[in-house]
Amino acid sequence: NAGVMQNPRHLVRRRGQEARLRCSPMKGHSHVYWYRQLPEEGLKFMVYLQKENIIDESGMPKERFSAEFPKEGPSILRIQQVVRGDSAAYFCASSPPHGAPQETQYFGPGTRLLVL
Amino acid sequence: GESVGLHLPTLSVQEGDNSIINCAYSNSASDYFIWYKQESGKGPQFIIDIRSNMDKRQGQRVTVLLNKTVKHLSLQIAATQPGDSAVYFCAENQAGTALIFGKGTTLSVSS
Repeated sequence: NAGVMQNPRHLVRRRGQEARLRCSPMKGHSHVYWYRQLPEEGLKFMVYLQKENIIDESGMPKERFSAEFPKEGPSILRIQQVVRGDSAAYFCASSPPHGAPQETQYFGPGTRLLVL
Repeated sequence: GESVGLHLPTLSVQEGDNSIINCAYSNSASDYFIWYKQESGKGPQFIIDIRSNMDKRQGQRVTVLLNKTVKHLSLQIAATQPGDSAVYFCAENQAGTALIFGKGTTLSVSS
């Protein structure tokens, strides 16, 4: 029973390049969340998606960042023209379809992005 | 801004002791709370959760207490083991979407 999968685990980019981070939710989960974690800090919400829909992107920077969760395939977090300040750990979480008022979010291992 | 925080950034205990990690939240409308454990280089791991209609919930070696009057959440770990060493985060869930995390408490267990 595979958990949330993320790849790559580590990603190095030079300033100005693009970073693509992938997330495959747990089997049966249709909700995906992306969070960013800076060193020595807690996780900060970025975006919440369901299949083919962005539900809440209130935590996403207005420029250079985008996310998608297509009908087929993993969710993608895309960062264009990366800057050093984008260096962080990016975590994906998934939850099952909402039945109860809240559903627990389960996290993947993260992608650690380093911008040189 | 953040509505969830932790009282102490670090906690050191001896193996076998009981550990208590505290968390204060500011939004009285929050109705779902989760404790996560994060080991170095890994993602947050679900430990236990509690809904606002409960005061206490027990798991295996862990207990979460919720005091809505003072907006306080705590995680108790019984018979702490070296494998419990990690950063512990409390998180609140508003409207069933984004989790809001505090900054974490680093638990160090010495044998």
